Amino acid sequence: GESVGLHLPTLSVQEGDNSIINCAYSNSASDYFIWYKQESGKGPQFIIDIRSNMDKRQGQRVTVLLNKTVKHLSLQIAATQPGDSAVYFCAENRGNNAGNMLTFGGGTRLMVKP
Amino acid sequence: KAGVTQTPRYLIKTRGQQVTLSCSPISGHRSVSWYQQTPGQGLQFLFEYFSETQRNKGNFPGRFSGRQFSNSRSEMNVSTLELGDSALYLCASTTGGNTEAFFGQGTRLTVV
Repeated sequence: GESVGLHLPTLSVQEGDNSIINCAYSNSASDYFIWYKQESGKGPQFIIDIRSNMDKRQGQRVTVLLNKTVKHLSLQIAATQPGDSAVYFCAENRGNNAGNMLTFGGGTRLMVKP
Repeated sequence: KAGVTQTPRYLIKTRGQQVTLSCSPISGHRSVSWYQQTPGQGLQFLFEYFSETQRNKGNFPGRFSGRQFSNSRSEMNVSTLELGDSALYLCASTTGGNTEAFFGQGTRLTVV
């Protein structure tokens, strides 16, 4: 079936380096994507979103890139810090009637080495 | 302003029992969605409520149900609990449209 998935289950980076987390989606009709960060014992925390009419969107130290041709989404974190260590999920909204129905990828664990 | 609030945070129930979980959305948000998170299945959508009506539904059995009140607070109920229902149950709220969803801390349900 259609799904949103991640290429790498674990990513280990050195503090100060940039991190890139990837995600593939299969529903070409999807028009809204979100990245979440989840720390142990907490709910997912909204990081950044992007709509299908955009290729790139920047936030504070984070950038999301959307390539609709190959149905690929990525999250770039600049100058990665120990506090960035968490599991990151991409999500695709497939809600009917403009509703909210997120389909999540499997998640990537980001480990930041001091 | 206050975020999404879920109660209780932790719950232990016995097989066969039923359970009710509560979610208070961010003030002004009218949509509440529920998700189940397990190590094996990841994050899975249960259902979404908007203006007291179920607007979207995932692929869960009828033992899982929900409702939304006029103040947008939502409850979900699981009847005849099974061991496999042990999970972190998360709710998320949005203003109602196709916009960013903010999650609560979740309710950790353990079925023994």
